Amino acid sequence: DAKTTQPPSMDCAEGRAANLPCNHSTISGNEYVYWYRQIHSQGPQYIIHGLKNNETNEMASLIITEDRKSSTLILPHATLRDTAVYYCIVISGNYGQNFVFGPGTRLSVLP
Amino acid sequence: GAVVSQHPSWVICKSGTSVKIECRSLDFQATTMFWYRQFPKQSLMLMATSNEGSKATYEQGVEKDKFLINHASLTLSTLTVTSAHPEDSSFYICSARPGETQYFGPGTRLLVL
Repeated sequence: DAKTTQPPSMDCAEGRAANLPCNHSTISGNEYVYWYRQIHSQGPQYIIHGLKNNETNEMASLIITEDRKSSTLILPHATLRDTAVYYCIVISGNYGQNFVFGPGTRLSVLP
Repeated sequence: GAVVSQHPSWVICKSGTSVKIECRSLDFQATTMFWYRQFPKQSLMLMATSNEGSKATYEQGVEKDKFLINHASLTLSTLTVTSAHPEDSSFYICSARPGETQYFGPGTRLLVL
């Protein structure tokens, strides 16, 4: 699976949009981009995923560049409860494969 | 999304005892489940892949005789930490992937005294 690079930490003001970047320059054509987050002492929570097109759901938006070498997770109106470690993972569609977690980005939403 | 549960949520045991952790898929069947371990301030590390009806596949460096995995049904996988020692104290998380997305349990925090 392709390796991802994320900034170790970011701050965001409450109510503002949080934009979390992820680089995955070695991504293959059949690999998806997934985003999870882990709030302290909980299991990872699925946020969103995409292959080529931008995606939006009730939690966030995912913007994937045209060359697919990077992506951005957008939390449109961050709240204090969005403080967590956010993981960007690239993985193929093979359902038997596990997700490999890097160090992620620690997002702190500040009041 | 799909729901994965774990039991217990936390456990404290004496050194040398064995601890069993259950992982259940509540609304789907899972032929494959994954077990992760997470130490403080570190990321999740895959320990093993649990396969229904067959032996688990362990990652390099994980002792299969110490971490016994049983995937007896399509909705239940168990991880038994045998002869637990303080260095086994960690956060254990299971997951399953019913389709494109992998769903994680809430985790089990193990403290070995």
